[in-house]
Amino acid sequence: GAGVSQSPSNKVTEKGKDVELRCDPISGHTALYWYRQSLGQGLEFLIYFQGNSAPDKSGLPSDRFSAERTGGSVSTLTIQRTQQEDSAVYLCASSYRLAGDTQYFGPGTRLTVL
Amino acid sequence: AQSVSQHNHHVILSEAASLELGCNYSYGGTVNLFWYVQYPGQHLQLLLKYFSGDPLVKGIKGFEAEFIKSKFSFNLRKPSVQWSDTAEYFCAVKPLNTGGFKTIFGAGTRLFVKA
Repeated sequence: GAGVSQSPSNKVTEKGKDVELRCDPISGHTALYWYRQSLGQGLEFLIYFQGNSAPDKSGLPSDRFSAERTGGSVSTLTIQRTQQEDSAVYLCASSYRLAGDTQYFGPGTRLTVL
Repeated sequence: AQSVSQHNHHVILSEAASLELGCNYSYGGTVNLFWYVQYPGQHLQLLLKYFSGDPLVKGIKGFEAEFIKSKFSFNLRKPSVQWSDTAEYFCAVKPLNTGGFKTIFGAGTRLFVKA
């Protein structure tokens, strides 16, 4: 594919509902990253994958957040029992390798929790 | 904890003015350094990066950045800005040899260039 794609582009949900955010990385990229960008804030690291493995989950804000990656490609970020403070833009990026490579970002998913 | 500080949250310049955006990080070991840019309505994209070698790095669109290890800084510069440089700029640091590959971003600097 031409670049990293994310879906949906916008998601409005009610407090307490679960949401799934999807990321399709660039073909051949082994590393995949999830970030959160809240209004007026920088990018907050959430999690990265090397292949299907996520060695560092320390950035996930709470146990309501989880992520998986299957087949070394598509990744899903799941937020359970959403709260208003989860409202943010969720960005996905991929790179060919983990070490020292440029990250290519997707357009993001804007999540609004009412 | 490792952190990245960008000194200015908002910068307003006139065209042809010189630009310098500050970036400092807190990590004493080896790092990879990046500046990313997000133009209005577009994805984040790489502006330039430093891994090793010459500490003065040149990127796209006439931007450059200088890595000063003793100051833990990686400031972004451009001699003469254009209206099309209006964007948000993010400094990012990837600490190496920590057993992980987390990239830490600064809060960003919004640049507005007046035509």
